[in-house]
Amino acid sequence: AQSVAQPEDQVNVAEGNPLTVKCTYSVSGNPYLFWYVQYPNRGLQFLLKYITGDNLVKGSYGFEAEFNKSQTSFHLKKPSALVSDSALYFCAVRVGGKLIFGQGTELSVKP
Amino acid sequence: DADVTQTPRNRITKTGKRIMLECSQTKGHDRMYWYRQDPGLGLRLIYYSFDVKDINKGEISDGYSVSRQAQAKFSLSLESAIPNQTALYFCATSDGRNGANVLTFGAGSRLTVL
Repeated sequence: AQSVAQPEDQVNVAEGNPLTVKCTYSVSGNPYLFWYVQYPNRGLQFLLKYITGDNLVKGSYGFEAEFNKSQTSFHLKKPSALVSDSALYFCAVRVGGKLIFGQGTELSVKP
Repeated sequence: DADVTQTPRNRITKTGKRIMLECSQTKGHDRMYWYRQDPGLGLRLIYYSFDVKDINKGEISDGYSVSRQAQAKFSLSLESAIPNQTALYFCATSDGRNGANVLTFGAGSRLTVL
């Protein structure tokens, strides 16, 4: 079955430290991969996507993600976390023209 | 005004009642989707529509129906609401001409079924 998984329900990081939110996928063919963020009481906002090309993708708010085909991963990263980055993060993969989402990872950045 | 507008934003209803959640968009997108969000389960696709005459079931369509009244409008109905349909519902749109399929989401409709 084609799917995407986020192995961590929660990630805790100190402000100023680098952060990583993990995502692995299982799809046939070349994947289209996405990251979205959800702030409290808000809808999801698009952060970045990987379609093809450079394995390191840069997105909004200083986030980036690294596509690794051999490990079937698409981890979200940021060099220096901010308290305002605290939110729920979703990885997604395109299957048949629609997106399948992971279960989400709650990121908490403490001062 | 928001690009994707959902109404109502909050609704409390009783078991057995019929409920309609409405979604309208000003993005000019041809594709529209309804997702349901539950804690720990992420977002699950209920129904999706790639154009006005196209309706497709998602992974959890039982107990739900949809209507695509126009390119800009896509409504979700619960024919007879039950408590396990208590959730946060999101409408989303995308441009089918763009192969990347980036979704634009509404702010969500929180439904509580008592």
